[in-house]
Amino acid sequence: NAGVTQTPKFQVLKTGQSMTLQCAQDMNHNSMYWYRQDPGMGLRLIYYSASEGTTDKGEVPNGYNVSRLNKREFSLRLESAAPSQTSVYFCASNKRGTYNEQFFGPGTRLTVL
Amino acid sequence: GDSVTQMEGPVTLSEEAFLTINCTYTATGYPSLFWYVQYPGEGLQLLLKATKADDKGSNKGFEATYRKETTSFHLEKGSVQVSDSAVYFCALSVRLGQNFVFGPGTRLSVLP
Repeated sequence: NAGVTQTPKFQVLKTGQSMTLQCAQDMNHNSMYWYRQDPGMGLRLIYYSASEGTTDKGEVPNGYNVSRLNKREFSLRLESAAPSQTSVYFCASNKRGTYNEQFFGPGTRLTVL
Repeated sequence: GDSVTQMEGPVTLSEEAFLTINCTYTATGYPSLFWYVQYPGEGLQLLLKATKADDKGSNKGFEATYRKETTSFHLEKGSVQVSDSAVYFCALSVRLGQNFVFGPGTRLSVLP
């Protein structure tokens, strides 16, 4: 049971390049989330998916797109990276319908030059 | 909207000192409350939680009590260790776990 996995762990992009961050969970959770973590800002929700086939915007969705590929996988895409998107990105998941805690992946550290 | 306020730190303590990290919240509903810990280079891990008023969450010597009257969920530990050095996040959920709100995090450094 690996929990929540994310790839890659580190990435450096040039402004304007695109990339996709991958996330997968093996806990049979319905809901999945993408956050970014910036110094002094805590975690901010980018997008979430309450269940397979649905996605919704969070607090800071601009510049990002997501795909809930199936129940296990939830990807985050940067179409045209900007330096303001330099951050650490975390994927999380939890059961839907209860006050259950979220389980987090190890994060992806992204630098946009 | 829903929000969480916590002392930002950094907090520096000597080993075996008493720890308190304050957390207060505002919420439109009746939230569940959580403390998460993030060790260097890692993701967040759940430390403890409480789902209703007067509940006490506890784990690894840490405790926090859900105080509805003061809208608080302060984290305490009686004797910290060097290994407790990490960033601690207070969080709430008001919509059946759908959407969490995190505080800014408090960095704790424990010196030997």
